[in-house]
Amino acid sequence: DIVMTQSPDSLAVSLGERATINCKSSQSVLYNSNNLNYLAWYQQKPGQPPHLLIDWASTRESGVPDRFTGSGSGTDFTLTIDSLQAEDVAVYYCQQYYSTPPTFGGGTKVEIK
Amino acid sequence: EVHLVESGGGLVQPGGSLRLSCVASGFTFSSHWMHWVRQVPGKGLVWVSRINADGTSSSTRYVDSVKGRFTISRDNAKNTLYLQMNSLRAEDTAVYYCGRGVGGHDALDIWGQGTMVTVSS
Repeated sequence: DIVMTQSPDSLAVSLGERATINCKSSQSVLYNSNNLNYLAWYQQKPGQPPHLLIDWASTRESGVPDRFTGSGSGTDFTLTIDSLQAEDVAVYYCQQYYSTPPTFGGGTKVEIK
Repeated sequence: EVHLVESGGGLVQPGGSLRLSCVASGFTFSSHWMHWVRQVPGKGLVWVSRINADGTSSSTRYVDSVKGRFTISRDNAKNTLYLQMNSLRAEDTAVYYCGRGVGGHDALDIWGQGTMVTVSS
């Protein structure tokens, strides 16, 4: 199974500042035949199910604010939240869907400083 | 509006069985892969199982920890996804979410609110 490792476990960021979350996979999730990274990012707010923010490592889902940006390729990925808003307080998870079983990172909790 | 609504959770003794259901609405259920993902409260997400759109037994996949104990199925005429859980263990205690797969892949773009399963004597 592909192991997904997120860092940090938690971070506190001031309103309006940038939050950066890292995700590393134990093997590449880049499918060479189509040059796509099989990597998704989810946001989970307290008491709610996860919400898909980004797939294919950098494709924002419809309705997701453009302050959320996914980047990276191969084994190293980043979710950046520019100008953090109060409603962004949540736990963020990366997930690889390159191989079965799909696996999630351990999560990064984002709080307001 | 697109919705997934799970039901069937509850308290069950170790070794017991439960069947979870997930009713879909607002989209063409029969066109999508469907998944179950679980989460121990306060902990991370663990993918449990997936079934392809046609719902044949050959189109199912499971995480190793539930193989031989859980069975995923679907009734496309009823827009319903199921998870039959047998030989339940304490470590199966979690919130179980159903989710819709994106295209023919294992990212999940729609999630239900979840149903809690507690395995305890």
